[in-house]
Amino acid sequence: LAKTTQPISMDSYEGQEVNITCSHNNIATNDYITWYQQFPSQGPRFIIQGYKTKVTNEVASLFIPADRKSSTLSLPRVSLSDTAVYYCLVVPEGGGFKTIFGAGTRLFVKA
Amino acid sequence: EAGVAQSPRYKIIEKRQSVAFWCNPISGHATLYWYQQILGQGPKLLIQFQNNGVVDDSQLPKDRFSAERLKGVDSTLKIQPAKLEDSAVYLCASSPAGPMGYEQYFGPGTRLTVT
Repeated sequence: LAKTTQPISMDSYEGQEVNITCSHNNIATNDYITWYQQFPSQGPRFIIQGYKTKVTNEVASLFIPADRKSSTLSLPRVSLSDTAVYYCLVVPEGGGFKTIFGAGTRLFVKA
Repeated sequence: EAGVAQSPRYKIIEKRQSVAFWCNPISGHATLYWYQQILGQGPKLLIQFQNNGVVDDSQLPKDRFSAERLKGVDSTLKIQPAKLEDSAVYLCASSPAGPMGYEQYFGPGTRLTVT
């Protein structure tokens, strides 16, 4: 399983774009990159998943370079409600097993 | 679509007592997960079921923790006897079979305090 590394915390201001980078040097050919968001007192919530290049949905964008050894979650124009912990996971296609959540990145958005 | 249901939401017990948590996954989801999340840490996978069979329980402390998934639907996680270090939030998640299986849907969790 590919181990992931992300910054422990980040601060931002409302309206700014936030980019959180995750390193996964040992990613395998059939692995996908997924991101989850967790608010206090709630379970994690799936945000986005990708394999290569760029993926965009209504919440975020995910940028994955050609070597796939890292990925960047981009949150456009954050608001106070985006304050949460963001987790990067590498999982096999279809989910597989031994899902590993790291410590995540604590994003704090200030007014 | 109903989400993952868990009960109770909160539980306070004394050490050496036993406790059980219940989870009802999203209808039709083949895979069910139990996680332990200690304050300030990411969720740690305890056990994963595929239908009613266990596919991974390598991080389950089997001397005190047990889990079952009856008929491939509901699941219970039990701790007996509890220790102080078991204080945590216990999260249940489920995911569909097939290529979308990477997307896990989490319940609200059960916050356990062991005194």
